[in-house]
Amino acid sequence: EVQLVESGGGLVQPGGSLRLSCAASGFIFSRHSMNWVRQAPGKGLEWVSYISYSSSNKYYTDSVKGRFTIFRDNANNSLYLQMNSLRGEDTAIYYCVRAQYDANGESYLDYWGQGTLVTVSS
Amino acid sequence: DIQMTQSPSSLSASVGDRVTITCRASQDIKISLAWYQQKPGKAPKLLIYTASRLESGVPSRFSGSGSGTDYTLTISSLQPDDFATYYCQQYYRSPWTFGQGTKVETK
Repeated sequence: EVQLVESGGGLVQPGGSLRLSCAASGFIFSRHSMNWVRQAPGKGLEWVSYISYSSSNKYYTDSVKGRFTIFRDNANNSLYLQMNSLRGEDTAIYYCVRAQYDANGESYLDYWGQGTLVTVSS
Repeated sequence: DIQMTQSPSSLSASVGDRVTITCRASQDIKISLAWYQQKPGKAPKLLIYTASRLESGVPSRFSGSGSGTDYTLTISSLQPDDFATYYCQQYYRSPWTFGQGTKVETK
């Protein structure tokens, strides 16, 4: 059974930092690209970042470029999101999401973790 | 960025109703389109990918169609477990973008 378990969320002051972790199990982690997707309270879904299976490619949504860094440890089946210079608008549930390739070679989001809440407030 | 516009933003329906949700992309996304279901306090769940491929374990009352810029999610006979919010998402180009969601409520 695929499992993705996020941790590391919490309350942080504006300008502060936080590192989110995602522990993966039930599949060959090193063969899958991974993503972070967030959801502000009462709002819709927003893709945040992508990392390829080998870490060779990384993408970010514009609002977090230069502040967030995605990385992974395939030896320990773990995904991370280092978040610096946090702002109030970063307040959200952050989901760790596995990517799967379709027949056209494009990657879609198939399994989601339960999420971890990040609150940025003074 | 590719904009995804869902309609309606909410709808009221009864058990047994046929429900249709539409999603329009701001450019051709070549069927790189997924649909998700989200219930309150839970993570989204994948229903459909590649516009019309049913994810394993998803009931056959769910179906997807479309091409180019216009896509549809249909629930053929709404069940009590289907009251939720539904999102479309394009994965053709980064940044991957979602529709704003459609909340399906009981009439």
